[in-house]
Amino acid sequence: AQRVTQPEKLLSVFKGAPVELKCNYSYSGSPELFWYVQYSRQRLQLLLRHISRESIKGFTADLNKGETSFHLKKPFAQEEDSAMYYCALGFQKLVFGTGTRLLVSP
Amino acid sequence: DGGITQSPKYLFRKEGQNVTLSCEQNLNHDAMYWYRQDPGQGLRLIYYSQIVNDFQKGDIAEGYSVSREKKESFPLTVTSAQKNPTAFYLCASSRIGGSGNTIYFGEGSWLTVV
Repeated sequence: AQRVTQPEKLLSVFKGAPVELKCNYSYSGSPELFWYVQYSRQRLQLLLRHISRESIKGFTADLNKGETSFHLKKPFAQEEDSAMYYCALGFQKLVFGTGTRLLVSP
Repeated sequence: DGGITQSPKYLFRKEGQNVTLSCEQNLNHDAMYWYRQDPGQGLRLIYYSQIVNDFQKGDIAEGYSVSREKKESFPLTVTSAQKNPTAFYLCASSRIGGSGNTIYFGEGSWLTVV
């Protein structure tokens, strides 16, 4: 069965500090993984997906099949990064993690 | 902005009543989805549809029903059989095929049972 685990409900950091939001998954095939973000009063939107190997708003995420992880990282957090972040797995039918709220303080 | 429109944004329902949440998309997407979002539980899939006149149950379909009579519309009915209907409901859509799977979400509908 597909499962996504985000162990941290809340991650609080200061501006300029590095950020790592953890995501682990269980899936028997080749996974398709995504990070979605929900800023305050905005709709949930795609941040990045592993097949693109891109950096969006300074965030990157590397798929580690050995550790079944897809952690989201940013070297220097900004206040505008404060949001709810969801890791998701699947193709067409996405399975979401429980989400991590990131708070970046000045 | 266009894309996916959910209505109403806020809805109150008395226990024992059915209620239907509307979802319309103008993205020409084949697939549409309904998720439920509860605090601390993330998003859970209720139903999804990949083609008109066809849909599949998600992980928590009990107490819900859907229809897909038109490509652009995927209404969700929360029936009186749903034990804990108070929640935030998200509709989404996506293309089928291509590389990756970007799902686009609506703004959501808050349902409160009183």
